[in-house]
Amino acid sequence: EAAVTQSPRNKVTVTGGNVTLSCRQTNSHNYMYWYRQDTGHGLRLIHYSYGAGNLQIGDVPDGYKATRTTQEDFFLLLELASPSQTSLYFCASSATISNERLFFGHGTKLSVL
Amino acid sequence: GDSVTQTEGLVTLTKGLPVMLNCTYQTTYSPFLFWYVQHLNEAPKLLLKSSTDNKRTEHQGFYATLHKSSSSFHLQKSSVQLSDSALYFCALRNYNQGKLIFGQGTKLSIKP
Repeated sequence: EAAVTQSPRNKVTVTGGNVTLSCRQTNSHNYMYWYRQDTGHGLRLIHYSYGAGNLQIGDVPDGYKATRTTQEDFFLLLELASPSQTSLYFCASSATISNERLFFGHGTKLSVL
Repeated sequence: GDSVTQTEGLVTLTKGLPVMLNCTYQTTYSPFLFWYVQHLNEAPKLLLKSSTDNKRTEHQGFYATLHKSSSSFHLQKSSVQLSDSALYFCALRNYNQGKLIFGQGTKLSIKP
């Protein structure tokens, strides 16, 4: 089973705060994704990457930056956190672009006060 | 743009009854459809996937058939169990993009 590890598991910050969410996969997958999960909206794609140094914009990118430093590591940055970014964040990876399934991490619960 | 629609937010059923969770999609490309299941406090996991028109795919008692004519990929089970209580997501991927687009999710709640 593919392993995707997120840290931290829980994070509380204040409005205007700076937050970095980390994700590491150890399965040599090329593709990595950041989603946010909110009731009534399902999973919405924030940013994704095809490989180290690559970044693609997802469907809800406003207020978020991301960086893929290595094949294993994908970071999500909130430089000026707002209460609307309170959410459950999932990182995922997949081997290829087409019919491969996504392997998800266990999520990071972020609260912006 | 591409989209996925799940019309039911919450489905509540008694154990042993059949269930169908609706999923329709829109895309101009060749579709690949997925169903993911998320149990409470867990990560989403793949349940089913298909890109073949009119072919039933099955896993763990659940089944779905991709119908390109109606742009649908409904999830069914003939007899639900208490352990089926979870959040179910339908998702779409096209061959031209790397991203997976999810529907809003349907919460399935099974009562004894």
